[in-house]
Amino acid sequence: GAVVSQHPSRVICKSGTSVKIECRSLDFQATTMFWYRQFPKQSLMLMATSNEGSKATYEQGVEKDKFLINHASLTLSTLTVTSAHPEDSSFYICSAIKGSSSYEQYFGPGTRLTVT
Amino acid sequence: GENVEQHPSTLSVQEGDSAVIKCTYSDSASNYFPWYKQELGKGPQLIIDIRSNVGEKKDQRIAVTLNKTAKHFSLHITETQPEDSAVYFCAASYTGGGNKLTFGTGTQLKVEL
Repeated sequence: GAVVSQHPSRVICKSGTSVKIECRSLDFQATTMFWYRQFPKQSLMLMATSNEGSKATYEQGVEKDKFLINHASLTLSTLTVTSAHPEDSSFYICSAIKGSSSYEQYFGPGTRLTVT
Repeated sequence: GENVEQHPSTLSVQEGDSAVIKCTYSDSASNYFPWYKQELGKGPQLIIDIRSNVGEKKDQRIAVTLNKTAKHFSLHITETQPEDSAVYFCAASYTGGGNKLTFGTGTQLKVEL
């Protein structure tokens, strides 16, 4: 199998606070994980690539100081949205590649973030 | 960078009919083309993929075709069922360049009874 989980599934936070989202590969090791955000009725936009044991690579236009990514183990990557604002409200989805030589991405169920 | 266009944006078919979704890509270096199904409020689910050294791949009611020369690939769903209703995304990546996926804009498929 290739199961990816995310926690929490949905979170509501107040403007100015920080929120951490976890992404776990449950039955495989993932040297590479990706973080996407998706607005309603739109496609997935890649935010960053997370490699175990190294700094994340952010896509152009994504603030690395606002979206902190940590990939501390082969099964866990976290995304922290710092000083969240209402415009950060979105559906955040992670994916993981199974093994170091594969290329198939398996996606988590997503996290719905609402900033009030 | 890679750009992936997807058509149509919405598709409505009768149960039992076939559905075809088409995508074009711009980067000739792309060599991996997955298709994902996304149900409301859930993450995308990989349903089929194809590599550039293959022209067609089939898995039961689902098939994907790839034309490298024209840089387009298509998803074919036969004998559609109501549970096929979802948003479908095509994507493209270059497996030698970090495996970053570029997604199409999505197709909302509705299978009517």
